[in-house]
Amino acid sequence: SQQGEEDPQALSIQEGENATMNCSYKTSINNLQWYRQNSGRGLVHLILIRSNEREKHSGRLRVTLDTSKKSSSLLITASRAADTASYFCASGGVGTASKLTFGTGTRLQVTL
Amino acid sequence: EAQVTQNPRYLITVTGKKLTVTCSQNMNHEYMSWYRQDPGLGLRQIYYSMNVEVTDKGDVPEGYKVSRKEKRNFPLILESPSPNQTSLYFCASSLTRTGGNQPQHFGDGTRLSIL
Repeated sequence: SQQGEEDPQALSIQEGENATMNCSYKTSINNLQWYRQNSGRGLVHLILIRSNEREKHSGRLRVTLDTSKKSSSLLITASRAADTASYFCASGGVGTASKLTFGTGTRLQVTL
Repeated sequence: EAQVTQNPRYLITVTGKKLTVTCSQNMNHEYMSWYRQDPGLGLRQIYYSMNVEVTDKGDVPEGYKVSRKEKRNFPLILESPSPNQTSLYFCASSLTRTGGNQPQHFGDGTRLSIL
């Protein structure tokens, strides 16, 4: 079953603006990950945050995790046209180290 | 170059004609997995393997088979494909057997159309 739900489903912004995507999940997690998918390509891992962490940074990416609300957010600062892609969250469950459960994705369009 | 390679990238076939999608990784990863991606449903796991000769069902295993005879290869077999298996398929791998606790590396996908 799908655990993660992303919000919004689609987001259109201008270059230089910040983009925020949210993810909610239903059961306890070991970690939460974010992936990017360019059109017609495979997913690329962006960042992993563990359940005992609250915030993590990687370049222009900032991920937060709120386990009490079972939610995470991905912030892309100073977006570029090359950031245009779909973004997925994926949760690794407690006691189910064998799998990641993916959300339905947010489609981000960055225009010049 | 470290990569996950899927073949074919595109395939159009007919109902009932057995097909195999190959997946190979050159990173000596223990964990491998197959997903299908459908509009509005995200990625759903079909099967996964935590090591050679160890495979298990994911969320949507019906109509699929897999095998893991060698560490690097994890083929997906559709014995009798049906139109509802038309989808975009991804193979992924990760370093250790706990694939849910670490980053996964994805292939570029195989787009299957079953008429």
